[in-house]
Amino acid sequence: TQLLEQSPQFLSIQEGENLTVYCNSSSVFSSLQWYRQEPGEGPVLLVTVVTGGEVKKLKRLTFQFGDARKDSSLHITAAQPGDTGLYLCAGARSQNFVFGPGTRLSVLP
Amino acid sequence: DAGVIQSPRHEVTEMGQEVTLRCKPISGHNSLFWYRQTMMRGLELLIYFNNNVPIDDSGMPEDRFSAKMPNASFSTLKIQPSEPRDSAVYFCASSRQGAGELFFGEGSRLTVL
Repeated sequence: TQLLEQSPQFLSIQEGENLTVYCNSSSVFSSLQWYRQEPGEGPVLLVTVVTGGEVKKLKRLTFQFGDARKDSSLHITAAQPGDTGLYLCAGARSQNFVFGPGTRLSVLP
Repeated sequence: DAGVIQSPRHEVTEMGQEVTLRCKPISGHNSLFWYRQTMMRGLELLIYFNNNVPIDDSGMPEDRFSAKMPNASFSTLKIQPSEPRDSAVYFCASSRQGAGELFFGEGSRLTVL
């Protein structure tokens, strides 16, 4: 049983479209992170959200932490082929992080 | 500054052989993590160290797996004997304790035939 669920599992869209991916859990986390992983590389941190209800923007990416600190969403506006990759959410527990299974995004030119 | 350095990048071995994966964390980072990634199970935490001391090894699959961190700049993950189901990408990551951001290496892709 996954502590963190992510949806959708796979997403293939055309360049210029908008999309939202979700990260859900029945557990409360002190903070939640989003990472992007490209083929042959390790995950790279995009953002950390700490406060329930918090919204952070990183250029065309908008991250939201749920009020109850159990879920999060990532919205991408006007997706570009460079956004292609595996998007992973990670919840902080004690001194380590539990990762979700990821959403594999493909943006076609 | 150099990032987390892992070696080897790729290893192909036969069932029953010993495998040793190596990691050099970022200088100044005092937490080190070993993760395993597969398509079926995603990214799983195997073990993590704080200040060279193993804190949680509950993710280590079985006695065939062992990890050491003899000093702040080096860690190993050993599998003996290896089995085909151990085939995966093994990632090492480091962080400043309490800072929250994990910095990952490029991974070691292990194939056990």
